Amino acid sequence: DQQVKQNSPSLSVQEGRISILNCDYTNSMFDYFLWYKKYPAEGPTFLISISSIKDKNEDGRFTVFLNKSAKHLSLHIVPSQPGDSAVYFCAASSQTGANNLFFGTGTRLTVIP
Amino acid sequence: DADVTQTPRNRITKTGKRIMLECSQTKGHDRMYWYRQDPGLGLQLIYYSFDVKDINKGEISDGYSVSRQAQAKFSLSLESAIPNQTALYFCATSDPASGGRSDTQYFGPGTRLTVL
Repeated sequence: DQQVKQNSPSLSVQEGRISILNCDYTNSMFDYFLWYKKYPAEGPTFLISISSIKDKNEDGRFTVFLNKSAKHLSLHIVPSQPGDSAVYFCAASSQTGANNLFFGTGTRLTVIP
Repeated sequence: DADVTQTPRNRITKTGKRIMLECSQTKGHDRMYWYRQDPGLGLQLIYYSFDVKDINKGEISDGYSVSRQAQAKFSLSLESAIPNQTALYFCATSDPASGGRSDTQYFGPGTRLTVL
């Protein structure tokens, strides 16, 4: 049973425009959310996180928004750059679950020059 | 030098063979994890270890075993490999003492395993 879902397997965006990657979760106990970025032949790299006590966290071009009532989060990348082309994984955890991460299936972002 | 290393990076083996994948880290983290990734799927947790004496099963531990030889080393074994264990395997570490949530995990580059 997939507790974290990324319903868009792929997304294409023009360079300079905004990329919006979405993630939904079902477990109301999740209280910490992370985004990872993965290039081919590499391991996932931590990108940005957000605690459930916040609804927004920003780091440079990357902003994560959390809507707890909708059990939804999104990652915004502005402006998108060709180097952002990668697979993005959403992950969630809860303190009651030993802080283990549950991952979505990933969204492949392609930024077109 | 990479903080989390995995060996081998690629391995092809035959059904029934015993395989060991190794993970080493220089981050000084207590917690280590093994995941597998199948095409089109997210990462699934196989085993995790909070310290040398603490080993726990994850979502998909059947057919796998682990050994935490030291704080810095965590090995994953497939006792008798089967074709549906063909996947990408990732090791990760995290640090509960970092002051933040221990959930932030740092991954190795992965091992691509093919079982024929």
